[in-house]
Amino acid sequence: AQSVTQLDSQVPVFEEAPVELRCNYSSSVSVYLFWYVQYPNQGLQLLLKYLSGSTLVKGINGFEAEFNKSQTSFHLRKPSVHISDTAEYFCAVRLTGTASKLTFGTGTRLQVTL
Amino acid sequence: NAGVTQTPKFQVLKTGQSMTLQCAQDMNHEYMSWYRQDPGMGLRLIHYSVGAGITDQGEVPNGYNVSRSTTEDFPLRLLSAAPSQTSVYFCASSSGRLAGVSTGELFFGEGSRLTVL
Repeated sequence: AQSVTQLDSQVPVFEEAPVELRCNYSSSVSVYLFWYVQYPNQGLQLLLKYLSGSTLVKGINGFEAEFNKSQTSFHLRKPSVHISDTAEYFCAVRLTGTASKLTFGTGTRLQVTL
Repeated sequence: NAGVTQTPKFQVLKTGQSMTLQCAQDMNHEYMSWYRQDPGMGLRLIHYSVGAGITDQGEVPNGYNVSRSTTEDFPLRLLSAAPSQTSVYFCASSSGRLAGVSTGELFFGEGSRLTVL
């Protein structure tokens, strides 16, 4: 079975600074990888996804993530964060060729301050 | 666009009471699921369905029942509520199940916050 690890439960950062949110996964077979964002009191929405092809994936709101198969990682980055990026971010993994059952990480709370 | 609609948004129950959380989607999605979100534990899958008449258990199914009589609706029933079921519940749907090019993108409702006293 697959699993996802988000080591950082909270990441504080100043506005306009760069940020990286870490995600590592464990799976013996090929996977699809996702980042979801949850703004306060809302449901989750898709930020970006890796299915195949280029290992650098660009998403909404200026975020990007890089799939590293050898490191089994899918870290999320943004070169300059904004106050409005304050939210909880979830990494998720799904095995290829199976029903849409995602396994989520425990989430990273990104807190952007002035 | 309605997307995924959950009701109620808030509910307080006493231990032992039963209730149903409603979920409806208008995107003709085959796949629907229920998650619970607890602090420090992320989202955990309770039950899921890959089509009308087909349901299966997720990671934490105990104490919950589901049914899928139509493509649109996927209600979650708490049979006898316990304080351990205090949580935020999310319904999510996606198109495609075993399709080779399925994106697996889940569309979430806004959540139902349940408190069991």
